[in-house]
This record gives sequence, structure tokens and C-alpha cells, in this order.
Amino acid sequence: KQEVTQIPAALSVPEGENLVLNCSFTDSAIYNLQWFRQDPGKGLTSLLLIQSSQREQTSGRLNASLDKSSGRSTLYIAASQPGDSATYLCAVSWGSNYKLTFGKGTLLTVNP
Amino acid sequence: GAVVSQHPSWVICKSGTSVKIECRSLDFQATTMFWYRQFPKQSLMLMATSNEGSKATYEQGVEKDKFLINHASLTLSTLTVTSAHPEDSSFYICSATLINTIYFGEGSWLTVV
Repeated sequence: KQEVTQIPAALSVPEGENLVLNCSFTDSAIYNLQWFRQDPGKGLTSLLLIQSSQREQTSGRLNASLDKSSGRSTLYIAASQPGDSATYLCAVSWGSNYKLTFGKGTLLTVNP
Repeated sequence: GAVVSQHPSWVICKSGTSVKIECRSLDFQATTMFWYRQFPKQSLMLMATSNEGSKATYEQGVEKDKFLINHASLTLSTLTVTSAHPEDSSFYICSATLINTIYFGEGSWLTVV
């Protein structure tokens, strides 16, 4: 069964700290992997998309890596800010049909 | 601005009634849209693939007669929860794809009382 797991479930850090969120998936034959941000009661905002042929993607203070062989991806957030507080979701597509399998997310709290 | 719009954002309905949620692609045509559901502290789970002009494709375990999906135009898909029960209370969210980028609606919170 194709599953996505995220750890930790929750993380609380002081402002300015660098942090890493983890995502693992059971089937390494992915098509792509995507990280989303979800604010309370809101929809999803796409942060980074990594194609299966790529190792990492960067956007501003965010860097996502992909290691297909080990079935892992990490989202690195540099110099965290209170505005980064949200739930971060990892989603994997195992086909080109845009169907996504999500992890349960990591609830990040950045304290001022 | 929003690329995919969902309506309503919040809805409360009585048990046994039906409720319709709309998902619209703004300024682009979407032949395929996806409907997801998220229970508290759970993952978003794909419910069905909405196909314009044809029947929706449902994921295993999702009752097609309970969750009616209509994709009658290239910019609108609707999800109707029929004979809603309290256990159907959840966050429902749709997505559509534009130039290989997946966009999600704002989501709809359904509470069945």
C-alpha cells in the first residue's frame, strides 16, 4: 500500500531557528512529491514541487530534498518566523494523473 | 488571487438533508478536478476524480450514491453529500490542475447536526 508518513506530528521552535520536517513514503517509484502549507481553516498553498528526477528544490528560506531510494523527503526552513506557523503537508503522486496521497502533516509553531 | 474557488466555506446542515459544495476553476478550464476529505487530525484523503462530461471515478470505500459528483462544465464541479449524517462532518477540498501545477480551493467545512 502506498503511504506517506510525516514526523514529527508537531514541532514548536523559537523564532530564528532553522528546522527540518520529515516525510517518508513507502513506494519509491514516485512521479513527484510536493510540500504544502495549510493555515487553520484554510485551503492548501503549494510550497515546493520536486519531480522524481530531481534531488531538491529551493524557494526563499525553504529547501526541499528528495531521496527516492530511501523513500524520504525533508523540508528545511531557515531562520523561522512566527508567520511560518502552520501545518505542513507532504504529498506524493505515484502517477502523472495528479492524484495525491498526503501525510498527516506537521503542525509547526514558531514562537516570537 | 485564487485560481480555484470553493463555495460555501462553511455549512451546517441537519441530519438527513443534502448539501452541495461547488468547486470552480477561475479563468481556466479543468477537465479533471479532484475531491478530498480531511477528518480532524487525519490526512487529506482522495475521495474521487471528477471528469467533465462523464462519470466521476471514486476511490475505494467512498460511496458514490452518497457523494454525488457532477462536472457539467469545464469550470465547475459539484459535490453533493446526500442524506448527510454527523459522521460526514469534515473538511472537503477540491483541486484542479493548470499547466502542471495543482491548485486547491479554500476548502469547505461541513458540520452535520
